[in-house]
Amino acid sequence: EPEVTQTPSHQVTQMGQEVILRCVPISNHLYFYWYRQILGQKVEFLVSFYNNEISEKSEIFDDQFSVERPDGSNFTLKIRSTKLEDSAMYFCASQDGVRRENTEAFFGQGTRLTVV
Amino acid sequence: DAKTTQPTSMDCAEGRAANLPCNHSTISGNEYVYWYRQIHSQGPQYIIHGLKNNETNEMASLIITEDRKSSTLILPHATLRDTAVYYCIVRSLSGSARQLTFGSGTQLTVLP
Repeated sequence: EPEVTQTPSHQVTQMGQEVILRCVPISNHLYFYWYRQILGQKVEFLVSFYNNEISEKSEIFDDQFSVERPDGSNFTLKIRSTKLEDSAMYFCASQDGVRRENTEAFFGQGTRLTVV
Repeated sequence: DAKTTQPTSMDCAEGRAANLPCNHSTISGNEYVYWYRQIHSQGPQYIIHGLKNNETNEMASLIITEDRKSSTLILPHATLRDTAVYYCIVRSLSGSARQLTFGSGTQLTVLP
């Protein structure tokens, strides 16, 4: 069964450093998402990406964040200068674009980011 | 997207049916009801979705009331591996936004 894969599974970084979280969405999917979940809190939407551009973003997704699909297979989330409060699980998701209104999103297993 | 209300937690005996309720009284005509679950901080897993008819797949059944103001997810024979947080999400079809808005969900604990 096709799946969304995320690397690394766990990333520890020093405050102020840049991190790049990587995702390989399901082949032929057209919609891509990043969500995050701070420990003990809800899963929060960050950004959606379609047709090589951001289609929606939340208030959380400020100038410190950026997304890219550099090579047609990977989908990356970059945090430019990490803060302690960026520590969270980050989930990538992808979705088929054919029946866009009612198709399900498939999630990866997440990257646990710890900022120290 | 319409707001949903779910119980904070529920228990179910292994092998019995787990019935998870969800209220979505402000749902509009073109909004689907989606169910996802999250097992111990893993990525959310899609379970099922529906518009107004009852739906069934290999994982679960979804019963939507005729007025569409509430729904019930049924896991017919719960196992210990079904212990998870279950999220009921109502999703708008209008506009460009396709993201899912997760609430607090229901923590289902399947007891041996």
